[in-house]
Amino acid sequence: GAGVSQTPSNKVTEKGKYVELRCDPISGHTALYWYRQSLGQGPEFLIYFQGTGAADDSGLPNDRFFAVRPEGSVSTLKIQRTERGDSAVYLCASSLNPSFQEQFFGPGTRLTVL
Amino acid sequence: AQSVTQPDIHITVSEGASLELRCNYSYGATPYLFWYVQSPGQGLQLLLKYFSGDTLVQGIKGFEAEFKRSQSSFNLRKPSVHWSDAAEYFCAVGADSNYQLIWGAGTKLIIKP
Repeated sequence: GAGVSQTPSNKVTEKGKYVELRCDPISGHTALYWYRQSLGQGPEFLIYFQGTGAADDSGLPNDRFFAVRPEGSVSTLKIQRTERGDSAVYLCASSLNPSFQEQFFGPGTRLTVL
Repeated sequence: AQSVTQPDIHITVSEGASLELRCNYSYGATPYLFWYVQSPGQGLQLLLKYFSGDTLVQGIKGFEAEFKRSQSSFNLRKPSVHWSDAAEYFCAVGADSNYQLIWGAGTKLIIKP
């Protein structure tokens, strides 16, 4: 079966532009997580969805970042007025339910802000 | 606050030699502990996890890890590495408030032929 997929795999944008990053979780997984990984660092938690609702968005760095999951499946991470410091790999993970059972990760989207 | 420390940024090991990657955590209660591997261009893959019970846990690809509460450690081991083990390895602790994973900075494993 298909794993977690993320599109695009690479995104280059200019400072100040708006970007959307998409995550397709494994079918039937109710929990979805977004992480950000900067060069030389481990992933950093951004937001966690249970179903359609954002159960915890405490990791979003500021109000330029927003994520949705309108039908409880695909999720989109949206970044407004991008800054060079937003450059990172954005990782999505899903799990069957919100627990510490395995989180399955997608390959990530590498965002470069020029 | 929970935190994870991986003291070694890089480790170089000869093929066939044994491996130990260090991980120390800070957490107030019994932690949920994980090791993931990240190969270039690949997503993070779970190697093994510790929730409770036997402190020596077996994982995929011949890896094992031992939870030592007294040392707040969860070191990853493999008796004989293969060139295909070259990758970056991440230790993580689970936050039971929202199931997020808190990650170490990773250790890059380099295999010498």
